[in-house]
Amino acid sequence: GDSVTQMEGPVTLSEEAFLTINCTYTATGYPSLFWYVQYPGEGLQLLLKATKADDKGSNKGFEATYRKETTSFHLEKGSVQVSDSAVYFCALRRNNAGNMLTFGGGTRLMVKP
Amino acid sequence: DVKVTQSSRYLVKRTGEKVFLECVQDMDHENMFWYRQDPGLGLRLIYFSYDVKMKEKGDIPEGYSVSREKKERFSLILESASTNQTSMYLCASTSSSNQPQHFGDGTRLSIL
Repeated sequence: GDSVTQMEGPVTLSEEAFLTINCTYTATGYPSLFWYVQYPGEGLQLLLKATKADDKGSNKGFEATYRKETTSFHLEKGSVQVSDSAVYFCALRRNNAGNMLTFGGGTRLMVKP
Repeated sequence: DVKVTQSSRYLVKRTGEKVFLECVQDMDHENMFWYRQDPGLGLRLIYFSYDVKMKEKGDIPEGYSVSREKKERFSLILESASTNQTSMYLCASTSSSNQPQHFGDGTRLSIL
């Protein structure tokens, strides 16, 4: 079945450092891919998405490119801020399954001033 | 703005109790979902519903049931709570089109 694998955290960075959180997936066909973010004490919010190969999703300085050849959707940001501290989830929308999502295990990011 | 409201942020119950978790959305969404969130496991789908009175099992339905009597409300029921159901529970909703899911803030449930 479909699956999503993320790098384990926590990831600890200093403010203004470069961020990469790796995400790879296993799925049949060409699923849509998502990054969600969960700030402390809150539910998940959609951060960005990509619906087909080579699409780049971007939002709030974060970017991720849908790489079909490597089945990856790595999240990047050039300069992180303390306010980016959160848990980040990679997810895919299952094919022919309406709006059902499969999530990765989540990666906690801690940014220190 | 989109709003998904879960009735409790924190809940403590005892083993064997029947537990109800409530979720309400104000966006007239057809689809609603219940997940549990556990460290290192991400979110796992328990049940979902595509319409009123319709329900489908997700990946881990054992020990749970759901109710959708009205379009805006989706309830998760733990028939006889057990300690391994201690977790964070998240509700989500989306329209029937190709739109992202909107999440509530979660209910942290402890079963003693």
